[in-house]
Amino acid sequence: EAGVAQSPRYKIIEKRQSVAFWCNPISGHATLYWYQQILGQGPKLLIQFQNNGVVDDSQLPKDRFSAERLKGVDSTLKIQPAKLEDSAVYLCASSLAPGQGTYEQYFGPGTRLTVT
Amino acid sequence: DAKTTQPPSMDCAEGRAANLPCNHSTISGNEYVYWYRQIHSQGPQYIIHGLKNNETNEMASLIITEDRKSSTLILPHATLRDTAVYYCIVRVAGTASKLTFGTGTRLQVTL
Repeated sequence: EAGVAQSPRYKIIEKRQSVAFWCNPISGHATLYWYQQILGQGPKLLIQFQNNGVVDDSQLPKDRFSAERLKGVDSTLKIQPAKLEDSAVYLCASSLAPGQGTYEQYFGPGTRLTVT
Repeated sequence: DAKTTQPPSMDCAEGRAANLPCNHSTISGNEYVYWYRQIHSQGPQYIIHGLKNNETNEMASLIITEDRKSSTLILPHATLRDTAVYYCIVRVAGTASKLTFGTGTRLQVTL
């Protein structure tokens, strides 16, 4: 079974530039999550999708961050414009939908973003 | 989600059992205990979860106290590849809700 795929693995941009990250979840996983992990901290949820609908985006800085999951499969996370404090690893995870079994989340390798 | 408390770091000799403690004194009756680990430069990896009974799988064992206020993750024969940050998380049962990570325990396995 293929895992969660993310790209790119690394990205370096200057502040005020824009950047986009892509995630392909495990086949059949209806729930998709984006987490932000700042160095030395645990991951923090930014947004959760159920199919192509948003379940939780309470921690997403909506003035600069946006995410979409068209067709309920792949997802993109965008930052525009980037700030220095956005330097972090952005992790994508997926799990089965409620009622489909247990809810372990499977994580991708992450995208390491450096804003200079 | 209830708050968990873990020691910031632990050491373990290779081949020995690693016992990682977690306190979750405010856990609710409908909350599970989950354990994940994160090896350097990788995403977190699911290890095990439980409600009130002890659980075992191919990776580890989970011991939950009778009052459910604390638990211990046991890696029976630690190897160098088990060096990672281990996160204890409590989460409402029966949902695909978010995981609320703390800072975890950094386990260093040494020769």
